[in-house]
Amino acid sequence: QQQVKQSPQSLIVQKGGISIINCAYENTAFDYFPWYQQFPGKGPALLIAIRPDVSEKKEGRFTISFNKSAKQFSLHIMDSQPGDSATYFCAALVFGGYNKLIFGAGTRLAVHP
Amino acid sequence: EAGVTQSPTHLIKTRGQQATLRCSPISGHTSVYWYQQALGLGLQFLLWYDEGEERNRGNFPPRFSGRQFPNYSSELNVNALELEDSALYLCASSRRTATNEKLFFGSGTQLSVL
Repeated sequence: QQQVKQSPQSLIVQKGGISIINCAYENTAFDYFPWYQQFPGKGPALLIAIRPDVSEKKEGRFTISFNKSAKQFSLHIMDSQPGDSATYFCAALVFGGYNKLIFGAGTRLAVHP
Repeated sequence: EAGVTQSPTHLIKTRGQQATLRCSPISGHTSVYWYQQALGLGLQFLLWYDEGEERNRGNFPPRFSGRQFPNYSSELNVNALELEDSALYLCASSRRTATNEKLFFGSGTQLSVL
């Protein structure tokens, strides 16, 4: 059962453009929403995360927008760079539950120079 | 500080064989997680170990099993291998806190079943 749906599956952006990746969830018990970044041949690494009591979190060029009523959240990468080319995964977790981080299917981002 | 290490990097087996994958967590981390990353399916949760005990498992058949040793390293065993078990198996570790939100992943073991 896929509890976190991620789109698009792949994304091509020109250098300097904005990359937007969207995720939707079903379980209203989720209370932590991280994004992981994975480069080829490496494991995923935590990029940025948000809790549902805020609508936006920004860290450098990376911003998470969160819409609790719509059960959706998105990652925005401003001024996208070729070095941002990677696979991005959204995820969700219920604190105090069984500590099972549920991942979306991933988005392969290519930033062209 | 060393990160999460996994071995072997690549593993080739044939159908019906058994595979053993190993993981060493970051020093000070007591929780170890195993995920399967199959093409196009994202990361599927397999198992969570903490303090030597299995705390949770995902929707995988019993032929996927594992254990955690006293030094917190972990082993994933896959018995009676099937072709669809071919995937990247990722291990992650974290500190045992009330909110285990930050996982540190290793680079994975690429398992190929022929």
